[in-house]
Amino acid sequence: DQQVKQNSPSLSVQEGRISILNCDYTNSMFDYFLWYKKYPAEGPTFLISISSIKDKNEDGRFTVFLNKSAKHLSLHIVPSQPGDSAVYFCAAAIQGAQKLVFGQGTRLTINP
Amino acid sequence: EAQVTQNPRYLITVTGKKLTVTCSQNMNHEYMSWYRQDPGLGLRQIYYSMNVEVTDKGDVPEGYKVSRKEKRNFPLILESPSPNQTSLYFCASSLSGGRDPGELFFGEGSRLTVL
Repeated sequence: DQQVKQNSPSLSVQEGRISILNCDYTNSMFDYFLWYKKYPAEGPTFLISISSIKDKNEDGRFTVFLNKSAKHLSLHIVPSQPGDSAVYFCAAAIQGAQKLVFGQGTRLTINP
Repeated sequence: EAQVTQNPRYLITVTGKKLTVTCSQNMNHEYMSWYRQDPGLGLRQIYYSMNVEVTDKGDVPEGYKVSRKEKRNFPLILESPSPNQTSLYFCASSLSGGRDPGELFFGEGSRLTVL
């Protein structure tokens, strides 16, 4: 029962263009969402988060959008840079429930 | 430097031979957790701990044990490893103390192969 789904295992984008990574969830109780980035041979690192009281959160080149009615969130990276090539995990949580539920991950490749 | 340290980073073992993967954090975090990463399944939580002597099962606890005798350490124990426990394991910690998931800090991972 995959409560958080990233349906695209991989994505390839030209340097300088926009990268859009998508994530869907099934549990309407989730109220806090995060994105993590993972390079090979390293642990995931926190990238950006959003609470369900917002529909958008920006941090530099990274913006996360939340559509609660569609149970969908997306991560936009503009402009994409070669250093953005990594695996991106979305995660969801119920605040106070002490656990994050992760998606399967999307491997983003930025081509020069 | 703030970090979560796991050991060993790589291990090949045989079925039934008990092993322990250690995890230590130097950030005085209350919350610690173990995840395994498998292709197509993402990160799945094995066990978590909200504080010393407080542990609870995650989504895939079968075949694993943990202990939290000190705040900084959270070892993962495989009493009798089996091939289906071949995976990439991550330890993580968080300041939030379990009240909210907060931002998890991950170790670099331990790749375990059970033959």
